[in-house]
Amino acid sequence: AQKITQTQPGMFVQEKEAVTLDCTYDTSDPSYGLFWYKQPSSGEMIFLIYQGSYDQQNATEGRYSLNFQKARKSANLVISASQLGDSAMYFCAMRERSIIQGAQKLVFGQGTRLTINP
Amino acid sequence: DADVTQTPRNRITKTGKRIMLECSQTKGHDRMYWYRQDPGLGLRLIYYSFDVKDINKGEISDGYSVSRQAQAKFSLSLESAIPNQTALYFCATSDPNPVAKNIQYFGAGTRLSVL
Repeated sequence: AQKITQTQPGMFVQEKEAVTLDCTYDTSDPSYGLFWYKQPSSGEMIFLIYQGSYDQQNATEGRYSLNFQKARKSANLVISASQLGDSAMYFCAMRERSIIQGAQKLVFGQGTRLTINP
Repeated sequence: DADVTQTPRNRITKTGKRIMLECSQTKGHDRMYWYRQDPGLGLRLIYYSFDVKDINKGEISDGYSVSRQAQAKFSLSLESAIPNQTALYFCATSDPNPVAKNIQYFGAGTRLSVL
């Protein structure tokens, strides 16, 4: 079963508009973490924001915020006042505890390609 | 200087050749990981290591091996490269301290083509 689902393969947004990138997840582990990464055309993976399953408030980092709806199992990334430099692939990822190995690994979604138009 | 350095950045090799991808880090993290990225498939975990004496298989370890030479170095080897191992490979590190939230920090990637 898909652990992380990103339903938007691509999005096009006008510069300065806000944009929401969708992410839903599936886990039975009560303790988990949710991450968003940005991958520009140069290829590197850049950490953006983190939300823990027990965090009471939605995470924010500058222009990035995470709309965490635990009951719906969604963790959408909101970028306010988009900029041309925000054009990139965006990946949602989840860390859950592996019952077998007692380890914590990241599982990634397939990504959303965001294009900011001037 | 980058905290997580991967070498080489690009590599073209032939089927059947042995190839090693190297990763070094200056973040002082105990945990290191190797992922591959294929178009439309996101990142998938190949191997991970929680310290020098701890090596674990990820979801797609067949055809790969790793070596953790030191806390700062983690190498990925393809013993006999095949074309479907053509991909973008990432090394990542994380701090096991719960305060650090196990955020993984990635290198710039190695683009590998197997002809």
